[in-house]
Amino acid sequence: DADVTQTPRNRITKTGKRIMLECSQTKGHDRMYWYRQDPGLGLRLIYYSFDVKDINKGEISDGYSVSRQAQAKFSLSLESAIPNQTALYFCATSDTGRISGANVLTFGAGSRLTVL
Amino acid sequence: AQSVTQLGSHVSVSEGALVLLRCNYSSSVPPYLFWYVQYPNQGLQLLLKYTTGATLVKGINGFEAEFKKSETSFHLTKPSAHMSDAAEYFCAVSLLGTGGFKTIFGAGTRLFVKA
Repeated sequence: DADVTQTPRNRITKTGKRIMLECSQTKGHDRMYWYRQDPGLGLRLIYYSFDVKDINKGEISDGYSVSRQAQAKFSLSLESAIPNQTALYFCATSDTGRISGANVLTFGAGSRLTVL
Repeated sequence: AQSVTQLGSHVSVSEGALVLLRCNYSSSVPPYLFWYVQYPNQGLQLLLKYTTGATLVKGINGFEAEFKKSETSFHLTKPSAHMSDAAEYFCAVSLLGTGGFKTIFGAGTRLFVKA
């Protein structure tokens, strides 16, 4: 099984619908992240969580919300999807970096969302 | 503000040729530097990282990168390209702030390898 699992892998929905993307991890990492990937823009951080009680906005959090249900689970919600939220979404985890010297990110395989 | 610039959104090389993917960063403090690779329909995976110490860093699949502080660069190279190297490559900078590490990604460079 993958270290970081995202569901669904692909989703097509309509404008105005509520969508939830789920992420679970077996790495035992405290830190979890949601990124959005768009062609030519790289990855942009939506939300991140350093532990179960800690949620922080990233650079593009408008229109999104998150929930950290447990150390291993971090879900991303679009309350009312719009077409410009069509993108590839990645969940990632990391340790604190104190031992490794840097926070290496472990990514899931991605969730491709299309909003019509 | 910190930023990462990857020169060239697409790079095409012949099999066996040198691969050079360019990355420049801006940072007010010494950063940690990474290259990640993304194969089709997969998530990103770590290729190599620079934290401290030796400025020439070796990664997986024969790739290496050199941290040049004076040039604020971290270019990725491989002496001889293989067809399996075709992928998208992302340079990233990680900085330790009050809230922990934050990672900023470049826009990515797609590598094409011609037979």
